[in-house]
Amino acid sequence: QKEVEQNSGPLSVPEGAIASLNCTYSDRGSQSFFWYRQYSGKSPELIMFIYSNGDKEDGRFTAQLNKASQYVSLLIRDSQPSDSATYLCAVPSGGSYIPTFGRGTSLIVHP
Amino acid sequence: GAVVSQHPSWVICKSGTSVKIECRSLDFQATTMFWYRQFPKQSLMLMATSNEGSKATYEQGVEKDKFLINHASLTLSTLTVTSAHPEDSSFYICSARPGGDTQYFGPGTRLTVL
Repeated sequence: QKEVEQNSGPLSVPEGAIASLNCTYSDRGSQSFFWYRQYSGKSPELIMFIYSNGDKEDGRFTAQLNKASQYVSLLIRDSQPSDSATYLCAVPSGGSYIPTFGRGTSLIVHP
Repeated sequence: GAVVSQHPSWVICKSGTSVKIECRSLDFQATTMFWYRQFPKQSLMLMATSNEGSKATYEQGVEKDKFLINHASLTLSTLTVTSAHPEDSSFYICSARPGGDTQYFGPGTRLTVL
């Protein structure tokens, strides 16, 4: 059973702060890792993906991957109220490439 | 690029009727599409994986005779909820994969069964 674990939150941060979202996975064979943002009542939207150990930056977002420890994180710098959403971690299994989604972490950015 | 559409976005139907939901990849070909269901305040649940030209692979616990999936072309997959009942009311979301393992989601279809 492939598992992807996320803290459901909510994670509450003040506007302008750094929000840190974490995800752990069980399949050591996984090679790619995705972060999606889902606003209430809407479908998920791809934010970032990462394949290699280390950091990948895209604007205010940074994905961090540590395959040895089997975790991937998403940092959001200068958090804005519009970042308030549920963030889903998705990890395709190493064999079938069918993604397993975490339950998502609810982020609240308050003014 | 990588736009996925769904139709309809919202549907209300009577119990016992069937509802068809379309998922289209607008600017790419998708050999694989996925169908998800999401109940309020719950996580995405994968229902089935749809491959063009072959039968869909259903997740455990999903009734294939109730949720009919057809992936007739590289840009279109359909989900038909047959003999819908109130417990089938949910948010149905498709996603499509242009290649590799990145998938893009459609906007979702909200189904309400009266």
